Amino acid sequence: DSGVTQTPKHLITATGQRVTLRCSPRSGDLSVYWYQQSLDQGLQFLIQYYNGEERAKGNILERFSAQQFPDLHSELNLSSLELGDSALYFCASSVQAGGNTEAFFGQGTRLTVV
Amino acid sequence: EDQVTQSPEALRLQEGESSSLNCSYTVSGLRGLFWYRQDPGKGPEFLFTLYSAGEEKEKERLKATLTKKESFLHITAPKPEDSATYLCAVPSGYALNFGKGTSLLVTP
Repeated sequence: DSGVTQTPKHLITATGQRVTLRCSPRSGDLSVYWYQQSLDQGLQFLIQYYNGEERAKGNILERFSAQQFPDLHSELNLSSLELGDSALYFCASSVQAGGNTEAFFGQGTRLTVV
Repeated sequence: EDQVTQSPEALRLQEGESSSLNCSYTVSGLRGLFWYRQDPGKGPEFLFTLYSAGEEKEKERLKATLTKKESFLHITAPKPEDSATYLCAVPSGYALNFGKGTSLLVTP
């Protein structure tokens, strides 16, 4: 158990809908990362927050947004969903924000868009 | 642009047959190289961090080594429970840039 909790584990929704994925980081970790993993793309970095502030953006679509709350949990919002958004979404956390320390991953949310 | 390339894409071993996985990288100023293990449908599990050429780390049947251009994950006398995808990653900006992984299957 990495200590990173993601909910829900599975999500099935229709095209055009909006969903929210939730992540609670490990105790003491200030940095949260979101990654998308699809079969043909591998793990793709979406966005990072550190202590409530957005720190870095990767390949995140404009239809996607995220935030980190004062209690450090984070939410990833996906809107106007398309079939191609079906993937595993992982949250990871680390103590620091620099990317050069270990990041610990949750078990992911499997999103299926139908 | 920072690049991480892993080879082979897939590897099938008999139980007890040792081998190595390769991770080559091109980064400007390495700030660490990370190895993870990922089981199907699960999140990546952290294994090792290596920071400088010549560094080695071990955990059970796994040993990770680092040179200036690549890292190897050596698997000694693997067991079926070692079957998984092994990912390596390097820092890129504030996040980790992952390779596509090596899918390892160890058969009894």
